[in-house]
Amino acid sequence: DTEVTQTPKHLVMGMTNKKSLKCEQHMGHRAMYWYKQKAKKPPELMFVYSYEKLSINESVPSRFSPECPNSSLLNLHLHALQPEDSALYLCASSQDGQSLYGYTFGSGTRLTVV
Amino acid sequence: AQSVTQPDIHITVSEGASLELRCNYSYGATPYLFWYVQSPGQGLQLLLKYFSGDTLVQGIKGFEAEFKRSQSSFNLRKPSVHWSDAAEYFCAVGDRQTGGFKTIFGAGTRLFVKA
Repeated sequence: DTEVTQTPKHLVMGMTNKKSLKCEQHMGHRAMYWYKQKAKKPPELMFVYSYEKLSINESVPSRFSPECPNSSLLNLHLHALQPEDSALYLCASSQDGQSLYGYTFGSGTRLTVV
Repeated sequence: AQSVTQPDIHITVSEGASLELRCNYSYGATPYLFWYVQSPGQGLQLLLKYFSGDTLVQGIKGFEAEFKRSQSSFNLRKPSVHWSDAAEYFCAVGDRQTGGFKTIFGAGTRLFVKA
């Protein structure tokens, strides 16, 4: 299995909703990442988990809450989002926290906040 | 701070023609460099990577890149472009920081392929 699987593929949520994005990999990778990508822009790093511990938080607003229940799973909990949070949310994984070998990306969740 | 510059926002090439996408980086030590490709609405796929050794790196889908330290460049090349190569291409540099290692992406170059 050489994939990173993200669910759901599309999500529409209101500003008062609570939802979660899910990411799963079974490659034995020990680092996982959340990126946010706006249209026609490069991905922007949000969070890094290395060996199931949060190692980097790029000053992301608290309405985004990451969780790494085990080495294969990464969640992103969403609450009270704003319309400007609408974007493609990408999950990625790498062999270890050094990511010397590059990342494997999922196909993303297209989030629309209304 | 480490950074990556892709000077071309978009490039158009004819199918069968050669391709070169430019990338310049700013990094104090030997950089970890990557090229990724993204088709519309999809995630990114790693094409190739460099962090040591031979400066000419071969990747997937017939792509190659050459690391030139004197020019701080890592340009991506392909001898003959196919229509399916139309996509967004991102150059990236790995940055070791307190707490971990992260990848910094350039702004991207959109490749259009004309018949």
